[in-house]
Amino acid sequence: GQNIDQPTEMTATEGAIVQINCTYQTSGFNGLFWYQQHAGEAPTFLSYNVLDGLEEKGRFSSFLSRSKGYSYLLLKELQMKDSASYLCAIMDSNYQLIWGAGTKLIIKP
Amino acid sequence: GAVVSQHPSWVICKSGTSVKIECRSLDFQATTMFWYRQFPKQSLMLMATSNEGSKATYEQGVEKDKFLINHASLTLSTLTVTSAHPEDSSFYICSARLISGRGSDEQYFGPGTRLTVT
Repeated sequence: GQNIDQPTEMTATEGAIVQINCTYQTSGFNGLFWYQQHAGEAPTFLSYNVLDGLEEKGRFSSFLSRSKGYSYLLLKELQMKDSASYLCAIMDSNYQLIWGAGTKLIIKP
Repeated sequence: GAVVSQHPSWVICKSGTSVKIECRSLDFQATTMFWYRQFPKQSLMLMATSNEGSKATYEQGVEKDKFLINHASLTLSTLTVTSAHPEDSSFYICSARLISGRGSDEQYFGPGTRLTVT
């Protein structure tokens, strides 16, 4: 079957660094997405990885290892506004999106 | 966990025809469902919020007469793209809102429907 695993909830301190992991088993792979979603709002696109390696974009970076079925989202210099849910999603061989359940990130002062 | 399905997964239609996309919550009831469109840069644009038993709420710039939304039951919302044109070709994603008895408020996303208008 197809599944994506990510932690349900994480807590971190303002100014610190946090890594949110996502592991997956899917039928085929056509890219991995990370989205940020604040409560009551539409998801915001953060990153798209289709090749192995690290993609850096400001305070956010995303890493992919296709051989390991593993990705992480790294958030640096955490701010209170980063408190949100972070969704990992895989586009499979049929170009269908398989969604993780999301990781709720709580930032404390 | 909560599962949301969409049908069809793929659809190719001719310009001028209408296409209906279904979004179902398989193991929970959803009074609210959302319809999104995924653009080439992978961002998701919220098109409308679908509420069971009432009219959908459309985001600014989305034509309600072109994108008809019906939420007739607690497990089904449909999006009909009327008189489709090539510029409507996109990836349409729905999500269903689940509010649990413990007070959590989650959204569960469907796998998407790829529409190609020729």
